[in-house]
Amino acid sequence: DVKVTQSSRYLVKRTGEKVFLECVQDMDHENMFWYRQDPGLGLRLIYFSYDVKMKEKGDIPEGYSVSREKKERFSLILESASTNQTSMYLCASRYRGSTGELFFGEGSRLTVL
Amino acid sequence: SQQGEEDPQALSIQEGENATMNCSYKTSINNLQWYRQNSGRGLVHLILIRSNEREKHSGRLRVTLDTSKKSSSLLITASRAADTASYFCATDRSIGGTSYGKLTFGQGTILTVHP
Repeated sequence: DVKVTQSSRYLVKRTGEKVFLECVQDMDHENMFWYRQDPGLGLRLIYFSYDVKMKEKGDIPEGYSVSREKKERFSLILESASTNQTSMYLCASRYRGSTGELFFGEGSRLTVL
Repeated sequence: SQQGEEDPQALSIQEGENATMNCSYKTSINNLQWYRQNSGRGLVHLILIRSNEREKHSGRLRVTLDTSKKSSSLLITASRAADTASYFCATDRSIGGTSYGKLTFGQGTILTVHP
């Protein structure tokens, strides 16, 4: 079975802390994505990666960075967390040549106090 | 900016009834997809319809696409309490090039099916 695993389901951090959200997929997918989901706004793309060490900004990259050192792992980094980054973060992946279906993890709900 | 706009924002029906959700988008698309999300969980892919298709079925799901109106609808027939979830449309806007799977999602429709 296809699996995308996000390391933390719930996190509580303080303003200014550095936060790492980890995502691992076991499907040998080239493309990986980080979205954030907020009520009334749907899902918005933060960053995506189309291969190891390759990354591109999505629609809302400000305040975030990413790392893709291995094919199966895509990390989202909040260098200095702020309260407006309180959100649900969703990781997804897919094959480069597929028709576009994304496979999602269960999500990481981050609260920044 | 949001590509997909969904309507209604919330829908409440009884078991056995049909549920229809609509999605409108602004730019040309390669395909349109529908996803389901149970409360507090990740999204699960339901169905994909390509820009050259007008209708597609999968079990109790029926999706239509009208590219001239830039709109799509998702029909769930004979709904069940287990269908209670949020439903999102997502558009793939890449045409002719590599998609990378970048999808733009709507705000979603919250469906509640009462037993």
